[in-house]
Amino acid sequence: DTGVSQDPRHKITKRGQNVTFRCDPISEHNRLYWYRQTLGQGPEFLTYFQNEAQLEKSRLLSDRFSAERPKGSFSTLEIQRTEQGDSAMYLCASSFSSGGDTEAFFGQGTRLTVV
Amino acid sequence: DQQVKQNSPSLSVQEGRISILNCDYTNSMFDYFLWYKKYPAEGPTFLISISSIKDKNEDGRFTVFLNKSAKHLSLHIVPSQPGDSAVYFCAAVAQGGSEKLVFGKGMKLTVNP
Repeated sequence: DTGVSQDPRHKITKRGQNVTFRCDPISEHNRLYWYRQTLGQGPEFLTYFQNEAQLEKSRLLSDRFSAERPKGSFSTLEIQRTEQGDSAMYLCASSFSSGGDTEAFFGQGTRLTVV
Repeated sequence: DQQVKQNSPSLSVQEGRISILNCDYTNSMFDYFLWYKKYPAEGPTFLISISSIKDKNEDGRFTVFLNKSAKHLSLHIVPSQPGDSAVYFCAAVAQGGSEKLVFGKGMKLTVNP
C-alpha cells in the first residue's frame, strides 16, 4: 500500500458542470476525511466517515456537495452545479482510530479550477 | 474565528541554523497537536505530533514543544537543511468524536544554502 491516492490530480470544469473526485485511503484505515484548501489558508474540514457511515459534515459543505464511502473503502466527493468559488485543492486523508493518538495521512489532492 | 494561529507567514534561515516555527491555539478542548509539511501541488505530509500529556517530543532533527498554560506550541528544526524549505502547518485535534484536524494558515520556511 503506497498511501492515500486521489484521482484526478487536476480538474478544470466550466461553471455549472458537475464533478466527482475519488479517494482511495490506506487499506486498514477506518476513518476517511475530506478537506478543502484555498490559497493562503490551511486545509478546512469538510466531512468525515467512520467506515461507511458519514458521521459529521461541516457547514462549508453546501447541499451542492455530497460524499459517499460505499462499503467503507474508497470515497467519492461530488460537487453539483460548480461555482467559481469552488475552485480549491480538495484533500482526502485517512487514519486508523483505536482510541489513542493517531495521525491522519493525506493524499496528493485534487486541484479543481472552475472557469 | 481562527482556533489555530500561525502568526508569522514566513521565515528565512541559513542552512545549519535552527528554525523555530510557532503556533498558538484558543480551544482548551484540543489535546493532540500535529505538524505537517507541504510542498507545492502536493498534499500535507505528517512530520511530528505531541499529546497534551507531554511537553516535548523529539524525532531526529525535529522537536515539538507544548506549553499548555500558554496554549502555545513550537517546532524546532536543527540543523535546518535546504530540503526543509516548504510550508509548515500546525494542526490541533480534540480527541473523541470525529478527531478532525483544525489547521493554522501555515508558515513558509525557506532555508538558504
